[in-house]
Amino acid sequence: EDKVVQSPLSLVVHEGDTVTLNCSYEVTNFRSLLWYKQEKKAPTFLFMLTSSGIEKKSGRLSSILDKKELFSILNITATQTGDSAVYLCAVSLPRSNTGKLIFGQGTTLQVKP
Amino acid sequence: DAGVTQSPTHLIKTRGQQVTLRCSPKSGHDTVSWYQQALGQGPQFIFQYYEEEERQRGNFPDRFSGHQFPNYSSELNVNALLLGDSALYLCASSSLSEPQHFGDGTRLSIL
Repeated sequence: EDKVVQSPLSLVVHEGDTVTLNCSYEVTNFRSLLWYKQEKKAPTFLFMLTSSGIEKKSGRLSSILDKKELFSILNITATQTGDSAVYLCAVSLPRSNTGKLIFGQGTTLQVKP
Repeated sequence: DAGVTQSPTHLIKTRGQQVTLRCSPKSGHDTVSWYQQALGQGPQFIFQYYEEEERQRGNFPDRFSGHQFPNYSSELNVNALLLGDSALYLCASSSLSEPQHFGDGTRLSIL
């Protein structure tokens, strides 16, 4: 059965800290891995990774994929209270960008002032 | 440019009733997917619609059904509601050139 596992499930840090969130997966017919940030409602898209070893960056956030070891990490540097959210990792199965997403259970990040 | 919009925001029903949730995709998107998110869990895939047809389906019973209209908007119908159907229902739209973008969801509570 296709599975996505995130760790840790929750994390409490102080502003300025650097955090690393982990996502491992076991799926057949892997297409891509996506990261989303969910605050109150809609998950908002962060990154989509399809190739191993190529880091994607957006401001203080970065992510990388290892297709051999079947995992991805999401790094957040110089954390701010606005980074507090649930971070969701999802794997997309074939049919390009429109394939169904299999989500992990999420990592809840709390950043204290 | 409006993103994905869902209605209603909140809904309270009783066991055995039926419910219809609505979704308008982001402009330029032609594929709509529905997910159920229980408290403290990641979203679970229900089904996906493309060209007005159900293209993929997750492990949900036949009580869950849907529809896509010619303008790409979509509905999710749930019959014979159970307490366990209480959840946040998320709609996501996408296209060949863009990954799935989510709406704010409908919070469904079953009493």
